[in-house]
Amino acid sequence: DTGVSQDPRHKITKRGQNVTFRCDPISEHNRLYWYRQTLGQGPEFLTYFQNEAQLEKSRLLSDRFSAERPKGSFSTLEIQRTEQGDSAMYLCASSLSGTDGYTFGSGTRLTVV
Amino acid sequence: AQRVTQPEKLLSVFKGAPVELKCNYSYSGSPELFWYVQYSRQRLQLLLRHISRESIKGFTADLNKGETSFHLKKPFAQEEDSAMYYCALSAPSNTGKLIFGQGTTLQVKP
Repeated sequence: DTGVSQDPRHKITKRGQNVTFRCDPISEHNRLYWYRQTLGQGPEFLTYFQNEAQLEKSRLLSDRFSAERPKGSFSTLEIQRTEQGDSAMYLCASSLSGTDGYTFGSGTRLTVV
Repeated sequence: AQRVTQPEKLLSVFKGAPVELKCNYSYSGSPELFWYVQYSRQRLQLLLRHISRESIKGFTADLNKGETSFHLKKPFAQEEDSAMYYCALSAPSNTGKLIFGQGTTLQVKP
């Protein structure tokens, strides 16, 4: 297990297209988080899974965004009808408990043109 | 509202000088505080947690509930400390959700 993996590393898409990102967490971590980071800002929370259950979603997560973690292992984040404002780094992180701190992936950089 | 403020976008010091990266938070209860670091071309990684009261790479941070601060300190900066540093807060609601500050770039000059 080499840590948290995210795929793809970069994605360029045209406005209006749908995109999907994948995150593979550390296998024994039952908590999985998605964050978004724009230039000059710290990461902003999007959503959280404990095992396969999505337990919290940010108001940042509009109805164009959906996340799944079907078997409590990998997770996907889909953005429908992308907009230029969706351009950002999307970070995935996993942890064993709420106080352990996270292990982050390298992120997926999305550019909407 | 829960908020983390890092007032300095950039902190530039010479090698061997003391470093203090400021972090102030807004939270009505007893939060858990973290420092994360991102070196050039690397992923964001945990540096230290207040709950463990540890020193990592010579860095320490003390939670001051009276001043609602969690400043990161190192007595003698090294060039390899140059990185982006983020302070983060977690409300003890068991979700582990983090609220990050905007980050401070530390530049250690030779």
